[in-house]
Amino acid sequence: KNEVEQSPQNLTAQEGEFITINCSYSVGISALHWLQQHPGGGIVSLFMLSSGKKKHGRLIATINIQEKHSSLHITASHPRDSAVYICAVRGRGETSGSRLTFGEGTQLTVNP
Amino acid sequence: NAGVTQTPKFQVLKTGQSMTLQCAQDMNHEYMSWYRQDPGMGLRLIHYSVGAGITDQGEVPNGYNVSRSTTEDFPLRLLSAAPSQTSVYFCASKRGQGIYEQYFGPGTRLTVT
Repeated sequence: KNEVEQSPQNLTAQEGEFITINCSYSVGISALHWLQQHPGGGIVSLFMLSSGKKKHGRLIATINIQEKHSSLHITASHPRDSAVYICAVRGRGETSGSRLTFGEGTQLTVNP
Repeated sequence: NAGVTQTPKFQVLKTGQSMTLQCAQDMNHEYMSWYRQDPGMGLRLIHYSVGAGITDQGEVPNGYNVSRSTTEDFPLRLLSAAPSQTSVYFCASKRGQGIYEQYFGPGTRLTVT
């Protein structure tokens, strides 16, 4: 079992729909990242969370440390949101390096 | 700021050839790292550096060498390319120890025939 599991692997939605992508992890963490990988391949950081909830525009990320679970929500989805969304965790007590453990990603396609 | 830059964008190598993937950042970040991305797998850490002159192995270091002679540059060397090293390689940097945002380069798509 991978340390970081994302679901679903693939998601197709219609423009305007509310989207949820889930991330579960099995280790204690100090932080969780949500990343977006564009069709061209570039990766950008969306959120970095250690507790609670963060919102940026139409994107909302939540984390439940006790349940070892995070969700990424997209409200009023748009075709330009089509991308791979990647969850990554930084282990608790990781004091050196850039050691993140990554999920396999969720391929989101939003149709007009 | 240019952020994190990588060259080349694409490269085709024959088995046994060596080459260096370049990575540079202009944000004065202490931490830099190299990942590879393969289908059906998450990004995997190859090597990382916590500062100039300091490097360490990640999850999949075999077949790769790194050095960090300056804060800005973190090249990844393939010593003798193998088809199993066909992958997309990403360099990333972050400000320092602690919980900081990671900045990724645009990636290098490498094919080894």
